[in-house]
Amino acid sequence: AQKITQTQPGMFVQEKEAVTLDCTYDTSDPSYGLFWYKQPSSGEMIFLIYQGSYDQQNATEGRYSLNFQKARKSANLVISASQLGDSAMYFCAIQTGGFKTIFGAGTRLFVKA
Amino acid sequence: DAGVIQSPRHEVTEMGQEVTLRCKPISGHNSLFWYRQTMMRGLELLIYFNNNVPIDDSGMPEDRFSAKMPNASFSTLKIQPSEPRDSAVYFCASSLVGWTGRRDQPQHFGDGTRLSIL
Repeated sequence: AQKITQTQPGMFVQEKEAVTLDCTYDTSDPSYGLFWYKQPSSGEMIFLIYQGSYDQQNATEGRYSLNFQKARKSANLVISASQLGDSAMYFCAIQTGGFKTIFGAGTRLFVKA
Repeated sequence: DAGVIQSPRHEVTEMGQEVTLRCKPISGHNSLFWYRQTMMRGLELLIYFNNNVPIDDSGMPEDRFSAKMPNASFSTLKIQPSEPRDSAVYFCASSLVGWTGRRDQPQHFGDGTRLSIL
């Protein structure tokens, strides 16, 4: 069975600074995908970034990058140059064979002006 | 392009009533997922469909919950009879996933239905 662990219930970051949100996972499937989603206070779920288990390079999408350490089973999200609009809940998720996606408990990020 | 469309956005009803939530996935997507989100339990996968066929309903909490997908463009989640503990935000999501097991397709979520059972 797959498992996602996000150990930081809440994080604070100063505007314009970088922040790392932690995510560790567990799966016995050698092929899997890791996703990060953002949920602002308005409630919608927004896809941010994807990392495949066989990808050689860390994924990047604009200000978002993924620090993927396969041996340690971690896929931390790095947000550079934080903005006030980054204040939201962030979810890490894993997808393995059979379409099933398991989400972590989430980390609430607060960006301070 | 239209995203995943859910209706209603809000539903308030009394305990014991039947509740039907609706979802229209993104055109061309072949997988559909129903989630429930609460403060206590987080985001829970209830059921998912591939090519309109239910693949895994192990997350459905009780027999009071049922889901159907009569065609590629429509799905319903029904609760009958409803109870106060069913109060939550219910999300529908769709993605393009094949039996080849591609794992790089993100799920696209609807805006959710906020359900309150009094």
